[in-house]
Amino acid sequence: QKEVEQDPGPLSVPEGAIVSLNCTYSNSAFQYFMWYRQYSRKGPELLMYTYSSGNKEDGRFTAQVDKSSKYISLFIRDSQPSDSATYLCAMSSGSGNTGKLIFGQGTTLQVKP
Amino acid sequence: GAVVSQHPSRVICKSGTSVKIECRSLDFQATTMFWYRQFPKQSLMLMATSNEGSKATYEQGVEKDKFLINHASLTLSTLTVTSAHPEDSSFYICSARVYRGGEQYFGPGTRLTVT
Repeated sequence: QKEVEQDPGPLSVPEGAIVSLNCTYSNSAFQYFMWYRQYSRKGPELLMYTYSSGNKEDGRFTAQVDKSSKYISLFIRDSQPSDSATYLCAMSSGSGNTGKLIFGQGTTLQVKP
Repeated sequence: GAVVSQHPSRVICKSGTSVKIECRSLDFQATTMFWYRQFPKQSLMLMATSNEGSKATYEQGVEKDKFLINHASLTLSTLTVTSAHPEDSSFYICSARVYRGGEQYFGPGTRLTVT
């Protein structure tokens, strides 16, 4: 079993829809959670950063972390065609030799005009 | 803020030659930088972690003598692919962070093609 599970999709929605992206994880030591957006042939762009449990909102994006269920979500409101990309969840315990990020497989999102 | 640059963005080299890729944090000091490679339609694969002034920590299966990493300052890390072969062709991406557990920012990536 992978440490972080993410449905690869693809997920196709009409413009204006609310998009829900999710990841589950198995390591209870994870406490730093991030969502990245990656366009084809580009580096990932940090969208949301959350420490521990709770919600965080930034414009059309809302990140939720439920540590008791080991489940994190990213919601995109009023989705736009420009949101079409691959979304990666990533998390870290912040400890160990490197505190490296563990990534999900990425979910491909297509928003149709 | 929080911009990471990479140079070059694309490079084509002949088999057997070496290629150097630079990663710079432009507006912050990065105590740690990471190097990843990514194959088409796959997630990021961590190759190594480098801390300024220290030897890099390589992930299992990554040849340290082939992928040389130098983190000479708090704003610059370099990855040198030595004696490149066609199977080294890939998308290489660096990232940088200020502190453990903090946000990690990625560069735009370098596409390496070995002919």
